[in-house]
This record gives sequence, C-alpha cells and structure tokens, in this order.
Amino acid sequence: DAGVIQSPRHEVTEMGQEVTLRCKPISGHDYLFWYRQTMMRGLELLIYFNNNVPIDDSGMPEDRFSAKMPNASFSTLKIQPSEPRDSAVYFCASGIGLQETQYFGPGTRLLVL
Amino acid sequence: RKEVEQDPGPFNVPEGATVAFNCTYSNSASQSFFWYRQDCRKEPKLLMSVYSSGNEDGRFTAQLNRASQYISLLIRDSKLSDSATYLCVVFGEGGSYIPTFGRGTSLIVHP
Repeated sequence: DAGVIQSPRHEVTEMGQEVTLRCKPISGHDYLFWYRQTMMRGLELLIYFNNNVPIDDSGMPEDRFSAKMPNASFSTLKIQPSEPRDSAVYFCASGIGLQETQYFGPGTRLLVL
Repeated sequence: RKEVEQDPGPFNVPEGATVAFNCTYSNSASQSFFWYRQDCRKEPKLLMSVYSSGNEDGRFTAQLNRASQYISLLIRDSKLSDSATYLCVVFGEGGSYIPTFGRGTSLIVHP
C-alpha cells in the first residue's frame, strides 16, 4: 500500500497567490482529515470528511481556506489569497472510523513570502 | 484554545533510562485516546492506543487516569531510536468528537 499521498511536498509562493494542496487517501478509508502544524500552535485540525462529505470545518481559519473532496480518492485544500501567516506544514490523514487510527501523509511544507 | 496539555520538554535521558510523559485533558466526557510519535520533519505515526485498562507494547506502556483526566506514556530501557516528539490525541475535547492533539513532548535519548 502506498499510504497517503500528498502533493506538492514543498511550495513557496508570494503573498496573494492561490495555493492548492492535494491529497490521495488510502483506498478504503472513509475518513479524511486536513491538519496544519506550526511551532506556535502545534497540530490543528482544519476540516474532516466522511464518505466525501465535509462534516466539521470549524477549524478552518477563515474564508480564504476551502476544501473539497470530489471523490473517495482525492481531496484538495485551497488557500486564496495566501498570506505569510499561512506558512506551515499541512498534513492530510485518512482512517477507517472517526476515533480510530489516522494515517498521515508526508505533509506539504508551505512558505508564503 | 488548546485544552490538551503536554510538557514540551525536552526530556534528555541516557540510554537505558525509564521516562514518562503525561498529557492532561479538560473534558471529562472525552473518549478515545492515542499516543503518536513524530520524528523531525516527518509525519506523525501511531504509537499506541490508550485503553481504560491500560495497555503495554514491549517497552511502552500507556495508561488512562479518568479521575485526574490525564493519560501517560512510559518508556522503559530507552533507545537512541526513541528520540522523537510524542503527541497525545484526545477525542471529545470541546464537546465534539473531533481529535485534539497536544503540542507534543520532545524526547532526546543520548549515549
């Protein structure tokens, strides 16, 4: 099994640009989670999906952030427009069941200049 | 606001030492609990689940204390390869069932 796949692994962009992060969960997993990790705030849940449906997006910082899951094998997290404070590592994770083991992807390191 | 608290450390211990970390949570109705390990510049990976009766996996023991609202992780006979950040996860903080991660405890095992 390839595990959770994320792309790109690194992204450097300028303030105001649109950023799109991509995730392919493990096949058969019905839950998908997007997290953001920073030194100041640690690992924070942004949004999670169950069977491709967004269930809880209370962690999404503001309207500049949006996430979609058009099918069971693909999800995107978009930031538009990006700001320097969005610089962080963004992880996608998938799992079977909400309160079960989560399998994390390698993360996308985002730097907004 | 983070409601899952961990001592950030670092805990600096020699090989062979026994070390323990705690993780406190604020919602007495919190349900599932886990410990994850995160190596530098890597993703978190599950270390072990925390059951009400406690559980042990080799040199690692996890326990839950509901009365005092904390979970613990004990590592015996520390190895150099145990050096990492250990994150606790609590489901049920804030009144919802979403996972809340602690900010992690850094462990450094030296020769």
